[in-house]
Amino acid sequence: SAVISQKPSRDICQRGTSLTIQCQVDSQVTMMFWYRQQPGQSLTLIATANQGSEATYESGFVIDKFPISRPNLTFSTLTVSNMSPEDSSIYLCSVAQGVDQPQHFGDGTRLSIL
Amino acid sequence: AQSVTQLGSHVSVSEGALVLLRCNYSSSVPPYLFWYVQYPNQGLQLLLKYTSAATLVKGINGFEAEFKKSETSFHLTKPSAHMSDAAEYFCAVTMNTGFQKLVFGTGTRLLVSP
Repeated sequence: SAVISQKPSRDICQRGTSLTIQCQVDSQVTMMFWYRQQPGQSLTLIATANQGSEATYESGFVIDKFPISRPNLTFSTLTVSNMSPEDSSIYLCSVAQGVDQPQHFGDGTRLSIL
Repeated sequence: AQSVTQLGSHVSVSEGALVLLRCNYSSSVPPYLFWYVQYPNQGLQLLLKYTSAATLVKGINGFEAEFKKSETSFHLTKPSAHMSDAAEYFCAVTMNTGFQKLVFGTGTRLLVSP
């Protein structure tokens, strides 16, 4: 399976600031996704990152808060904007080689907002 | 709409004992089903997947799961627990139409005692 690298692995940020998380894959992949895992909870899909076009957001998530880029088939970024303590979570990138292939996850970015 | 229910937020077993983690799904169309494992401070690792082939699916690390349509279940088992199996386990479902939105269960933490 693809090797997925997420940066940073963790960060502590001040409220009101923004952080951009990077997801790099060692091979071209068809699909890339961003998830949020709040403390002690399961994963929730934020959006599907579409190459060369706007991301597709799930209910409850908006582009102004979580802008996403995907300039090519191996790279995507998620920005968490105007952060508040409620944004403290693990943010995970996942990829799939095709529409009928399972998703594989990066190690996540552990974000704490003070 | 699809959903997944994992019974038991925590399961405790002794080393060498049978591991049984329960997952029931709800789907209006034939599903694809997955089990993922999350070790501390890591992302999710795919254990196994059901994609409408054999109903008994074998995965990594000695785990297996059986798809039972009549019971809408996809329970995860391992004959003999090892200390290294202690982790969080997530069941997930998606439609088998090629759209990759994964819906996760709330997770089950497996505790293994010596």
